[in-house]
Amino acid sequence: SAVISQKPSRDICQRGTSLTIQCQVDSQVTMMFWYRQQPGQSLTLIATANQGSEATYESGFVIDKFPISRPNLTFSTLTVSNMSPEDSSIYLCSALRRPQEAFFGQGTRLTVV
Amino acid sequence: GIQVEQSPPDLILQEGANSTLRCNFSDSVNNLQWFHQNPWGQLINLFYIPSGTKQNGRLSATTVATERYSLLYISSSQTTDSGVYFCAVGDTGRRALTFGSGTRLQVQP
Repeated sequence: SAVISQKPSRDICQRGTSLTIQCQVDSQVTMMFWYRQQPGQSLTLIATANQGSEATYESGFVIDKFPISRPNLTFSTLTVSNMSPEDSSIYLCSALRRPQEAFFGQGTRLTVV
Repeated sequence: GIQVEQSPPDLILQEGANSTLRCNFSDSVNNLQWFHQNPWGQLINLFYIPSGTKQNGRLSATTVATERYSLLYISSSQTTDSGVYFCAVGDTGRRALTFGSGTRLQVQP
């Protein structure tokens, strides 16, 4: 199985500030994904992060609010910008291993106060 | 996009009981996975099963792709099985997963 390290594991942030979440995979992967899980809800895809190109965002998510970087094949970051209490969620990164099984980091539990 | 429905939404069992969780999906898939989310929020891979049957200890899963459903069986349930079980699918045009709404399982001692 893939090892995906995500940090921070949790944080409490003031509204109006930004938080950057890091995701490190133990081997090179083509595609990485970022998901959001709001309290009591299922997971929703935020964006797909490809190395060497801009991330592809899902409907309802915009780059200004959730900028993503993918500098190489093992690392990605997601920034949650200008946070409000509605951004309080668990944020998870994911990568695919052959044939196309998805693995997840341990998640970042964000609380905005 | 593809729709994923899970049932039941909530399930309460006594320790030692068996259960079946169901996942229906609306279109052809080339990826189907079952996950267990523990109380700390971590997603644990249970099965990668786009078709066929697999078993791992007390858990087994079956996917009938032609009929667009998958089943997760939990036998002799334990309190540590508590949590939320998610079914998620991917199709040929979308490598990312689409998640169902989950089944929240509570196993009581």
